[in-house]
Amino acid sequence: NAGVTQTPKFRVLKTGQSMTLLCAQDMNHEYMYWYRQDPGMGLRLIHYSVGEGTTAKGEVPDGYNVSRLKKQNFLLGLESAAPSQTSVYFCASSYYGQVYDEQYFGPGTRLTVT
Amino acid sequence: GQSLEQPSEVTAVEGAIVQINCTYQTSGFYGLSWYQQHDGGAPTFLSYNALDGLEETGRFSSFLSRSDSYGYLLLQELQMKDSASYFCAVMNSNSGYALNFGKGTSLLVTP
Repeated sequence: NAGVTQTPKFRVLKTGQSMTLLCAQDMNHEYMYWYRQDPGMGLRLIHYSVGEGTTAKGEVPDGYNVSRLKKQNFLLGLESAAPSQTSVYFCASSYYGQVYDEQYFGPGTRLTVT
Repeated sequence: GQSLEQPSEVTAVEGAIVQINCTYQTSGFYGLSWYQQHDGGAPTFLSYNALDGLEETGRFSSFLSRSDSYGYLLLQELQMKDSASYFCAVMNSNSGYALNFGKGTSLLVTP
């Protein structure tokens, strides 16, 4: 099992450019999440999905969109990148979506917006 | 709302014991989880407490007091490889049961 994978690992964007981050999991998990991590801020939830075809906003959704067309994939889109979106983005998945249920994280995507 | 407080940094000596505290405020408490993250790496699950008391997993233990809205992670027989950030987290019932993380405690283990 590959677990949770993220593509790309690194990316540099200019302000106003768009991009899509791909998250894939092979554990048949229902729940998937996108977090961003900034220095001293911990992990903050951007969007999440409780199953194929569903998405919902998290704590910091502005400037991002998501889609979950297939159960194993969760895409995060930036329509018009801004320097404030420079961050490390982590995707995670879990089976039951409960606090006792381990969340499995991908290796992260390091995004710089200039 | 929800909030979690942890110390930002802790330093300890190899072989020693260290305790990382976490206090939380949340509605609808479902339990407290702990995650470890090495520099540049992905967070990994360490432990979970739903009920009061101590849960032990090898060198790591986690404690919860629901009445005090307080928990801690205890690391024994510290090793250099334990140098990492440690996050406590509670369930965010308003966000599809995603986790609400504290800002993390950076643990430095010195020789």
